[in-house]
Amino acid sequence: DIQMTQSPSSLSASVGDRVTITCRASQSISVYLNWYQQKPGKAPNLLIYAASSLQSGVPSRFSGSGSGTDFTLTISSLQPEDFATYYCQQSFSTSRAFGQGTKVEIK
Amino acid sequence: QVQLVESGGGVVQPGRSLRLSCAASGIIFSSYGIYWVRQAPGKGLEWVAAMSYDGSNKHYADSVKGRFIISRDNSKNTLYLQMNSLRAEDTAVYYCAAEPGGGDYYFDHWGQGTLVTVSS
Repeated sequence: DIQMTQSPSSLSASVGDRVTITCRASQSISVYLNWYQQKPGKAPNLLIYAASSLQSGVPSRFSGSGSGTDFTLTISSLQPEDFATYYCQQSFSTSRAFGQGTKVEIK
Repeated sequence: QVQLVESGGGVVQPGRSLRLSCAASGIIFSSYGIYWVRQAPGKGLEWVAAMSYDGSNKHYADSVKGRFIISRDNSKNTLYLQMNSLRAEDTAVYYCAAEPGGGDYYFDHWGQGTLVTVSS
């Protein structure tokens, strides 16, 4: 099975900061990588699919990059509503495994 | 408006069974792959089971293989998860999630989740 590893597990940042989260796959997954945002008590929400495509309705401050095994989610200027947990997910294999999550907290 | 609505969660004793349902509206249900994803309290997301748009393919996480059964009724726009031999570690919020397929491999619609608590 493909394993997904995110780093860091958590980070503290201020409004306006540029934030970068990385995700590494245990084997090459081409660009079959998605990013989700989850707020407490809510279902996850799709942000980025196919590594770099912005889901409709998602603010342009979110961007994704990478291919193969290494991927990045970037928030260009952190907003108050962005404090949440972020998950990567591979869609190369049927397992659709998720990373362990990165919690973005207020500094 | 797309809606996925899970139901069937609750408190159940270890070793017993429970069946979850996920009712879909606002999408062409029969064209979507549907997945169950769970989240234990304070933990991350774990993929549990998957079924292709036509029900011809099913896949399970190792943690539930042999105990859980996924099924769907496209005439009722409903997905099911039969959970047998439940264990304490199955305690989680269970979400259904829909994947468009056809080259689009991501979960663009999620239900609100239903809580399953396995406890004596």
